[in-house]
Amino acid sequence: EAGVAQSPRYKIIEKRQSVAFWCNPISGHATLYWYQQILGQGPKLLIQFQNNGVVDDSQLPKDRFSAERLKGVDSTLKIQPAKLEDSAVYLCASTPNSDTQYFGPGTRLTVL
Amino acid sequence: SQQGEEDPQALSIQEGENATMNCSYKTSINNLQWYRQNSGRGLVHLILIRSNEREKHSGRLRVTLDTSKKSSSLLITASRAADTASYFCAPFRAGSYQLTFGKGTKLSVIP
Repeated sequence: EAGVAQSPRYKIIEKRQSVAFWCNPISGHATLYWYQQILGQGPKLLIQFQNNGVVDDSQLPKDRFSAERLKGVDSTLKIQPAKLEDSAVYLCASTPNSDTQYFGPGTRLTVL
Repeated sequence: SQQGEEDPQALSIQEGENATMNCSYKTSINNLQWYRQNSGRGLVHLILIRSNEREKHSGRLRVTLDTSKKSSSLLITASRAADTASYFCAPFRAGSYQLTFGKGTKLSVIP
């Protein structure tokens, strides 16, 4: 079974630029999550999708972050414009509505 | 908060020794999960213990759960260099399908 795929693995941008991350969850997994993990911290939930609908985006900084999950499969997370404090690893995870989450390898973003 | 808090924040042991890390949480739960994160990688699910279970084993892993104290422990026996990673506990409440992670325990196993 293929795991959760994410791309790119690494991204370096200047502040005020925009960036987008892509996630392909495990086939058949209805629920998809985006997390932000700052160095030395645990993952922090940004947004949760159930199929193509948003379940919880209460911790998503909506003035600069946006996410979508068209057709209930792949998802993209965008930051526009990026700030220095957005430097982090962005993790995507999915679950077939069970207790366990399956994580992708993450995208490491550096904002200069 | 549903967040788990791991203790200690860092742990360094020799290969072959046992490693114990603890987790405390504040709310009622349906289960508690432990995840491992190797440097630069995503999290990997290790083990899940349900609220009506007191102890669970999986290979070299032993997890205990005390719901009266709202605490859990993860024991890794006969540690290996490959066990070097950060370990996170995640209390789970049914319905939200959300996990809230603490800062984790960073385990270093010295060959």
